[in-house]
Amino acid sequence: GESVGLHLPTLSVQEGDNSIINCAYSNSASDYFIWYKQESGKGPQFIIDIRSNMDKRQGQRVTVLLNKTVKHLSLQIAATQPGDSAVYFCAENIEGNQFYFGTGTSLTVIP
Amino acid sequence: GAVVSQHPSRVICKSGTSVKIECRSLDFQATTMFWYRQFPKKSLMLMATSNEGSKATYEQGVEKDKFLINHASLTLSTLTVTSAHPEDSSFYICSARDGRSGANVLTFGAGSRLTVL
Repeated sequence: GESVGLHLPTLSVQEGDNSIINCAYSNSASDYFIWYKQESGKGPQFIIDIRSNMDKRQGQRVTVLLNKTVKHLSLQIAATQPGDSAVYFCAENIEGNQFYFGTGTSLTVIP
Repeated sequence: GAVVSQHPSRVICKSGTSVKIECRSLDFQATTMFWYRQFPKKSLMLMATSNEGSKATYEQGVEKDKFLINHASLTLSTLTVTSAHPEDSSFYICSARDGRSGANVLTFGAGSRLTVL
């Protein structure tokens, strides 16, 4: 799920499997990160967040890992369900100001 | 939780006309709102930061005379696409930060799809 070129990266997983979506962020000064889920024709919805003083945070079926050394963020979805099919974006925030979004990854769950 | 309402959800207009999109925070006050633009199968591109009672801050490359932003109250920001052309067709999304809980989470509207004929 790394952002390469101009096309939206895609990831297909079987229902019930775990999904891992990756994101490379750009600014080493970013201190807060959010993963958003966007379904077709809708606005992004908050999934989980993490601050730069943490390297892991868990939610319900989701885990976010942060590696500041390589400026990398990942979202792990356990037991992926068809309703998880969407585009997932990571967003980085610097000093409480604007959020900038990564390229996004399109997740398709195969029943 | 925080709710952001965006209107209209879909608009079709003729080339040369202006279109206004509204963004409202329904259950909280937002001194700052953000406007994003999204092309098909692409990421969200921050256009500008809307500040209540003052001028918006535009990102580099975004024409401020083309995309007029007004944030006249703590619950309403508007984006007006002036003299729209087909290349302005896009999905426009607003967001606001609900600072009541001290969190920094952005809540997004459902988006407005603009089609310029």
